[in-house]
Amino acid sequence: GESVGLHLPTLSVQEGDNSIINCAYSNSASDYFIWYKQESGKGPQFIIDIRSNMDKRQGQRVTVLLNKTVKHLSLQIAATQPGDSAVYFCAENRGRVKAAGNKLTFGGGTRVLVKP
Amino acid sequence: NAGVTQTPKFQVLKTGQSMTLQCAQDMNHNSMYWYRQDPGMGLRLIYYSASEGTTDKGEVPNGYNVSRLNKREFSLRLESAAPSQTSVYFCASSEFSLGTSHDQPQHFGDGTRLSIL
Repeated sequence: GESVGLHLPTLSVQEGDNSIINCAYSNSASDYFIWYKQESGKGPQFIIDIRSNMDKRQGQRVTVLLNKTVKHLSLQIAATQPGDSAVYFCAENRGRVKAAGNKLTFGGGTRVLVKP
Repeated sequence: NAGVTQTPKFQVLKTGQSMTLQCAQDMNHNSMYWYRQDPGMGLRLIYYSASEGTTDKGEVPNGYNVSRLNKREFSLRLESAAPSQTSVYFCASSEFSLGTSHDQPQHFGDGTRLSIL
């Protein structure tokens, strides 16, 4: 079936370098995407989102890029810090919950390890 | 501001026992959700409640029931626990969404870690 997936299960990055986490999606009807960060023992924490009418969106030290042509989503973290070590999930909105809320489908996650 | 609160944080059950997982949110969100997360996997939707008074099945609803008690609270019940239901359960909530331009992210609690022996 259609799914959201990630290319790299583990990403090791040197402190201070930039990180890029990739995500492929297959449902061309998806129009809303979210990146979450999950630390050990915690729930997913919202990082940034993007709607399909945008190609790029920036937050604090993070940038999400959306390429609808190839159905690809990426999260860029600038100047990666030890506190960025976590598992990162992308999620896509595959359908509206009766015109309220949304139904998200999550990818399998990428672990980011920041080396000092 | 607590956000989404889940209780209990940990629980061990024997096969066949029943249990209710509690979830409450203080963000005045209309929609609430229950997910399960298995090792090395993303979250899978069990049930959701688009608004107070409505509930619907998600991707993996078998073996579970839910109750939207009021706008704040959404509980998940295991009537007869099975080892396959050992998992971490997450509750989430989100704002009302009228359409594409109004999508809002879901906000999650810290989970209930459930082991069934």
